[in-house]
Amino acid sequence: SAVISQKPSRDICQRGTSLTIQCQVDSQVTMMFWYRQQPGQSLTLIATANQGSEATYESGFVIDKFPISRPNLTFSTLTVSNMSPEDSSIYLCSGRQGVDTEAFFGQGTRLTVV
Amino acid sequence: QKEVEQDPGPLSVPEGAIVSLNCTYSNSAFQYFMWYRQYSRKGPELLMYTYSSGNKEDGRFTAQVDKSSKYISLFIRDSQPSDSATYLCAFNNAGGTSYGKLTFGQGTILTVHP
Repeated sequence: SAVISQKPSRDICQRGTSLTIQCQVDSQVTMMFWYRQQPGQSLTLIATANQGSEATYESGFVIDKFPISRPNLTFSTLTVSNMSPEDSSIYLCSGRQGVDTEAFFGQGTRLTVV
Repeated sequence: QKEVEQDPGPLSVPEGAIVSLNCTYSNSAFQYFMWYRQYSRKGPELLMYTYSSGNKEDGRFTAQVDKSSKYISLFIRDSQPSDSATYLCAFNNAGGTSYGKLTFGQGTILTVHP
């Protein structure tokens, strides 16, 4: 399976600031996704990152808060904007070629907002 | 009703025990069934993947799917301390607006003690 390099691995940020998380895949993938995970909890999908078009957001997540870029088939970024302590979480990116293939994940970004 | 329910809750077993993890789901459109393992501070990694009812074995791991009862299980034989991790069931529609997206269970934290 492909490998995703995600960075930063962790960060502590001041409230009101923004953080951009980057994911680089070592091969081209059709689909990329961004998830949020509270420690010890399940994964919640934030959005699907579409190459060449706007990202598709899940209910409860909006583009102004979580702008996403997908400039090519190997790279995507998620920005967490105007952060508050409630945004403290683990953010994960995932890549996938199709529904009958494995979804693989980056190592996650552990974000703490103070 | 939640789309996916995963049990048991945190599980602690002695080394060598057989472990049974279970998920029930309500969405009849789910066609692909997966189990992911997530070590602390890492991204999830795929353990088992299947799309048909029945059993699938891979070493000490067996995935079982019963589509008629909307129930999947993961069995771990001869459990080892290295199996200590969070186990997540995951589901995928074959198409439509949910194409490529995974729906995860809440996760089971497994601890295997020597």
